[in-house]
Amino acid sequence: DTAVSQTPKYLVTQMGNDKSIKCEQNLGHDTMYWYKQDSKKFLKIMFSYNNKELIINETVPNRFSPKSPDKAHLNLHINSLELGDSAVYFCASSQRISGGTDTQYFGPGTRLTVL
Amino acid sequence: KQEVTQIPAALSVPEGENLVLNCSFTDSAIYNLQWFRQDPGKGLTSLLLIQSSQREQTSGRLNASLDKSSGRSTLYIAASQPGDSATYLCAVLSITQGGSEKLVFGKGTKLTVNP
Repeated sequence: DTAVSQTPKYLVTQMGNDKSIKCEQNLGHDTMYWYKQDSKKFLKIMFSYNNKELIINETVPNRFSPKSPDKAHLNLHINSLELGDSAVYFCASSQRISGGTDTQYFGPGTRLTVL
Repeated sequence: KQEVTQIPAALSVPEGENLVLNCSFTDSAIYNLQWFRQDPGKGLTSLLLIQSSQREQTSGRLNASLDKSSGRSTLYIAASQPGDSATYLCAVLSITQGGSEKLVFGKGTKLTVNP
């Protein structure tokens, strides 16, 4: 039983295309996140949603648009893909905005390669 | 702005050795500090979470300490095994300017335990 799942696992596409990555969690958590891990393995938060409401947007280009249809899903749509978007994107969830008591559970990642 | 630094970037040890991974952070206003493990091509697995009011946490052969005032944490691994080989990430749960919380990660320590 996968707690946080992402599809697809790998995504190879051309510059300028639009693509989406899907994330689902079956943990009943209220909060979900998107992270980007670049080629230097540096992991940085992009967005967080709490109960379908955007909480954090870390100065990510407008080409990136998260969408949360319900509490269990947080999808990431990327328009006009650029070479620099190549990275591994991780989805995560936690029970709530907790003031430090709850850990985050991560999905397996989606490796995006833009050619 | 919170910054997290991990030293060393890579570490190679023989099986059975005890070892220490170091993490430092610049802003002591944190909710907690977490240690994660990342295996190649996989997501992150939470190992230990130390709340800001705590000094240490233990799980099996792992012990993590937190000195919030000096901005330091260590992860101690006893009797290392080849299966411990992975990248270990330190992250602090920080308060954003908007009053929400976000995880800020270090770049990780890549550990190799040789049989």
